[in-house]
Amino acid sequence: QKEVEQNSGPLSVPEGAIASLNCTYSDRVSQSFFWYRQYSGKSPELIMSIYSNGDKEDGRFTAQLNKASQYVSLLIRDSQPSDSATYLCAVTPGGYQKVTFGTGTKLQVIP
Amino acid sequence: ETGVTQTPRHLVMGMTNKKSLKCEQHLGHNAMYWYKQSAKKPLELMFVYSLEERVENNSVPSRFSPECPNSSHLFLHLHTLQPEDSALYLCASSQVLGQGTIGTEAFFGQGTRLTVV
Repeated sequence: QKEVEQNSGPLSVPEGAIASLNCTYSDRVSQSFFWYRQYSGKSPELIMSIYSNGDKEDGRFTAQLNKASQYVSLLIRDSQPSDSATYLCAVTPGGYQKVTFGTGTKLQVIP
Repeated sequence: ETGVTQTPRHLVMGMTNKKSLKCEQHLGHNAMYWYKQSAKKPLELMFVYSLEERVENNSVPSRFSPECPNSSHLFLHLHTLQPEDSALYLCASSQVLGQGTIGTEAFFGQGTRLTVV
């Protein structure tokens, strides 16, 4: 069983629409959750972190966490072609445990 | 110096060569990771060092040999590689804060693009 699961996509949305990216995780003791963006041929870069249930907003990005359902999502409002990338969900229980990455969802924003 | 630095950025090597990838982090972190990312494939975790001890080795062939001399430096020694080992090799670091604490994010270097010919 995969520890962090994401739909590989591609997820295609028109420019200006809301893109919704989802992630589920299996370790119930997970405490920290991250979203990374990775452009083709580049390294992943952190765009959002969330630690508590609910929503966290940063500009056009909103991360949503539901620990009871073991679910974390990323919403991108007013999607732009420059948002086209692979989005990686990452999870860690904290303590001495490592960060575990999902396989990523490829997002395509169509002009 | 930026957070996580990897050298070289590009490497072409023959199957009989021996080379090393270097990673240095300037963030004061105490955990370091090697990942492999082949074309159009997800990240594959290779090795994890936490507090300078190797805590994870994900069935990586012995032609890859990691070394972590201190918490700021990580090496990946390569020998007798195969063409299928051509990939982007990413180093990352994070801070483990101890039992009962929340986890912090991992920061990545720019990667080494390795081509085995």
